[in-house]
Amino acid sequence: GAGVSQTPSNKVTEKGKYVELRCDPISGHTALYWYRQSLGQGPEFLIYFQGTGAADDSGLPNDRFFAVRPEGSVSTLKIQRTERGDSAVYLCASSPARDSLGDTQYFGPGTRLTVL
Amino acid sequence: GIQVEQSPPDLILQEGANSTLRCNFSDSVNNLQWFHQNPWGQLINLFYIPSGTKQNGRLSATTVATERYSLLYISSSQTTDSGVYFCAVDPNTNAGKSTFGDGTTLTVKP
Repeated sequence: GAGVSQTPSNKVTEKGKYVELRCDPISGHTALYWYRQSLGQGPEFLIYFQGTGAADDSGLPNDRFFAVRPEGSVSTLKIQRTERGDSAVYLCASSPARDSLGDTQYFGPGTRLTVL
Repeated sequence: GIQVEQSPPDLILQEGANSTLRCNFSDSVNNLQWFHQNPWGQLINLFYIPSGTKQNGRLSATTVATERYSLLYISSSQTTDSGVYFCAVDPNTNAGKSTFGDGTTLTVKP
């Protein structure tokens, strides 16, 4: 079956602009995660959804970042007033976990965001 | 928050050699995963192993939760094993909030 997909694969924008990054999880997976990865580092947790609700958004760096998952499937990460420091690869993962115990996470290919 | 340390940071092997990668973590966890990030950036899940031992082909992993470490073993390494290996943990107090280590960069030479 299809894995996690993310669009666009690359996004170049100018400082101050608004961007949306999309994630399509594996069908039936209830948990969805967003991470950000900078060069030479491990992925950094941003937010985790269980169904439609954000179970933990403590990793979002500031109020310019927001994510939604209105129907419990596709999720959109939204970044307002982008800054050069937002440049990174944004990764999405999903898992079949239906409780708080955690489960295997399956990652998408990522969206490389470049803010000029 | 929980701290995750991986060692060694870099490892260069000749094809056919064996290796052990280590992941230490600072608190009790209910989820531990090992991932391989290939040269194109794709993260592939290798093991979900909060405790015990698992094997999958040439790879195996052991997590000793009470001593807060996990080991990933690669035997008879191949050039396609090259990439970055990450350990990621969810603390008991915050399941779902995965913290990744900085990874071990493995280069396997032919």
